[in-house]
Amino acid sequence: DTGVSQDPRHKITKRGQNVTFRCDPISEHNRLYWYRQTLGQGPEFLTYFQNEAQLEKSRLLSDRFSAERPKGSFSTLEIQRTEQGDSAMYLCASSQWASGPGNEQFFGPGTRLTVL
Amino acid sequence: GQQLNQSPQSMFIQEGEDVSMNCTSSSIFNTWLWYKQDPGEGPVLLIALYKAGELTSNGRLTAQFGITRKDSFLNISASIPSDVGIYFCAGPNTGKLIFGQGTTLQVKP
Repeated sequence: DTGVSQDPRHKITKRGQNVTFRCDPISEHNRLYWYRQTLGQGPEFLTYFQNEAQLEKSRLLSDRFSAERPKGSFSTLEIQRTEQGDSAMYLCASSQWASGPGNEQFFGPGTRLTVL
Repeated sequence: GQQLNQSPQSMFIQEGEDVSMNCTSSSIFNTWLWYKQDPGEGPVLLIALYKAGELTSNGRLTAQFGITRKDSFLNISASIPSDVGIYFCAGPNTGKLIFGQGTTLQVKP
């Protein structure tokens, strides 16, 4: 396994359209995370899954955003009725969670979304 | 909520120089992570720290977990042009990571 992959790498859409991004984590990892990053800022947490269960959602995740991880493997992030403020880099990360220290998160290359 | 403050915001140095940057928090973290991000790419994990006072190296990079557990430091020795990028510190909060704003490093050959 070569790491976390994301598709597409770039997406340009018009305001009001729906977009969907896919993330494939490192295969043995049970946790999958979505972050959003705008220019000049660090990544901001959106949501995360342990296996197929969505364990936490940020207040940043408005009702236009939905994420799924139906079989505990890949995940999708959908944004409905996109707005210009949604333009950002969307990052996916994965980790193999266990109690105790560790649980480093490994990031994919990101999907750059531009809403016109 | 928890916030991480990184300093300096940016650095412009000559190739071969050593670099030092830090990250401070208003609250305690049990783990500190340092990532590097190149333009248009995702962050890459450089070093993970798990114990107060711990000093860990990865090649020319050395990071320390502050004794108070509210800060961490990253040093890069003998910088080279490929060290250019944005360096982020991060700490876990109930599973998710909290990131600093980043330190942008530019290296002049």
